[in-house]
This record gives sequence, C-alpha cells and structure tokens, in this order.
Amino acid sequence: DTGVSQDPRHKITKRGQNVTFRCDPISEHNRLYWYRQTLGQGPEFLTYFQNEAQLEKSRLLSDRFSAERPKGSFSTLEIQRTEQGDSAMYLCASSAGLAGGVSYEQYFGPGTRLTVT
Amino acid sequence: AQSVTQLDSQVPVFEEAPVELRCNYSSSVSVYLFWYVQYPNQGLQLLLKYLSGSTLVKGINGFEAEFNKSQTSFHLRKPSVHISDTAEYFCAGGRGGGGSNYKLTFGKGTLLTVNP
Repeated sequence: DTGVSQDPRHKITKRGQNVTFRCDPISEHNRLYWYRQTLGQGPEFLTYFQNEAQLEKSRLLSDRFSAERPKGSFSTLEIQRTEQGDSAMYLCASSAGLAGGVSYEQYFGPGTRLTVT
Repeated sequence: AQSVTQLDSQVPVFEEAPVELRCNYSSSVSVYLFWYVQYPNQGLQLLLKYLSGSTLVKGINGFEAEFNKSQTSFHLRKPSVHISDTAEYFCAGGRGGGGSNYKLTFGKGTLLTVNP
C-alpha cells in the first residue's frame, strides 16, 4: 500500500495558463475526492467520484475547473485560464466503499501547491 | 448543512504539558467525526475517528478524543505533548446515510506549538 500520490507537488504558472494535476488513489479505493486548501483555512470540498462517475461538484468549482477519473483509477483536475485566486493547495483523498457498508475514513495525498503569478 | 468550528486558532503549550484542542459540530443525523494532523507542506494524516459506539476514541501518537452529543463537541486531548507534536490540527465531520457522498467538512484548524 503506497498511499495516495499526487503529481506535481508544486506548480508555478502565469495567470491565464492552463494547469493539470494528477491523483493516484490507494488501489482498492473506489471513492475519490478533491479538496482545496487556502492559507489559514481548512480544506474545502470540490468534487467527488465513485468509480468513474463524478457524483457531486461544489459551487466552488467554477466552469474553469474540470475533473475526470477515467476507468475509475487515477484522477485529473484541470484549471483553465488560471487566476491569482486559484493559488492554493489542491488535496486529493480516497476511501474504500466496502461491500455491505462504507469505509468513512478518507486518506489524503501530499497535495499539489499551485502558485499563480 | 453541517458545520465544524474549531474554537482556538492557536494553542501554545510547553513540552510535557497536557493539551486540549476544541471542536464543535452541528449536524442532526448520522454524524461521524475525525481529527487530522498536517505538518508543514504535507497532506493530512488521520489521527483518530468517531463513527459510533464508545464515545472515547483513541488514536495514534497518544491522542484521544471524546464525542459529546449533548454538547455537540469532539475535543482532542493529549496528556503530555512533545516538540514533535507541533503541527496544524483539523477537526472534520461528515454525514452518512442514503445518498450521502460522505464528503468532509473541515474546521479552520488549530496550530499547536509545543515549546521547550
């Protein structure tokens, strides 16, 4: 069990550019979450996948944001036309959906820190 | 909607002293609660969880928390802290039940600073 991994760990981009982040969940976990954490705040929910289906998106996720999880394995989060307000830590988490019940615990990756200049 | 409130943004303590980090939640049904720790430039590590059953839950690194339904609290405690416990601590809650996506709502965090 290698845990949740995220790539890249840091990204510096200029305003207006597009960026894409990747998350690889724990292999047997079918639930995957994206959160955003700004300085001095707790993580805020962005979106959720169960297998390959995106089941909920937060109002924080503007039209410039898109997330995918093809084949229910890794996930990508893309931000188009980045703005300075997008600067934050983007965290990915996964959890297991167990037969006959649910595993509530979410396990987090190290995050991708985005800086928009 | 569920909310989680961490009552202290910063808690300074001396090494080997006891500490309590306070957390209150608001929810009416099927609540489950967690404490996570975050070290600088890292992701969140699960310390402990309350799902149901015993209201006193024990976690890693000597931490424990007590679920108090009447006071809607889930305070984190450690009887004797170490320098290495210096980190940001987050309380988080979620709601289960049919149709829930089990997303977590986090408090704003409490920075625990352990001084020698």
